[in-house]
Amino acid sequence: LAKTTQPISMDSYEGQEVNITCSHNNIATNDYITWYQQFPSQGPRFIIQGYKTKVTNEVASLFIPADRKSSTLSLPRVSLSDTAVYYCLVGDWGSGNTGKLIFGQGTTLQVKP
Amino acid sequence: DTEVTQTPKHLVMGMTNKKSLKCEQHMGHRAMYWYKQKAKKPPELMFVYSYEKLSINESVPSRFSPECPNSSLLNLHLHALQPEDSALYLCASSPIGRPGELFFGEGSRLTVL
Repeated sequence: LAKTTQPISMDSYEGQEVNITCSHNNIATNDYITWYQQFPSQGPRFIIQGYKTKVTNEVASLFIPADRKSSTLSLPRVSLSDTAVYYCLVGDWGSGNTGKLIFGQGTTLQVKP
Repeated sequence: DTEVTQTPKHLVMGMTNKKSLKCEQHMGHRAMYWYKQKAKKPPELMFVYSYEKLSINESVPSRFSPECPNSSLLNLHLHALQPEDSALYLCASSPIGRPGELFFGEGSRLTVL
């Protein structure tokens, strides 16, 4: 499983766009990149998953450069309720029945008014 | 709103007790997971079930015993736990074909005295 490196913490203000970058230098050909959000005392929540280029859903965008050695989660116009821990995971779960999802340390995002 | 239901939400037990944590989902997912999370740490994978069979055991001590009686239920039987086993225990499920997309419950907060 590819090791991921994220900033420990980030601060932002309401209404700003937040970009959280994750490094995964030893990503394998079959690996996918997945991001989760976790609020205190709750289970993580799936945000977005991608393999290459750009993926967008109603919550966030995921940018993956051609070499796939990093990825950036983009949260548009954050609000106070986006204060949470964000995890970047990399693994070969694009096929098969189960995913061995190993969580790294995550990035604690603090959104200020 | 979570579609993975965990009971009980809180559990206090002594080191000689036997108790069980329960998890239920009705999304038709055939992969189910147990994670353990200590305060301010990322979730740690414990067990993975695929089609009701144990597929991954992350070298978890035998005082934790998982059971998957059917495709909707996942249990974690606890016996002779230690105070350091106190943590939030998270259950998750994922659809076959999308194993990177886990749906987590809100967790069971376990305190071992």
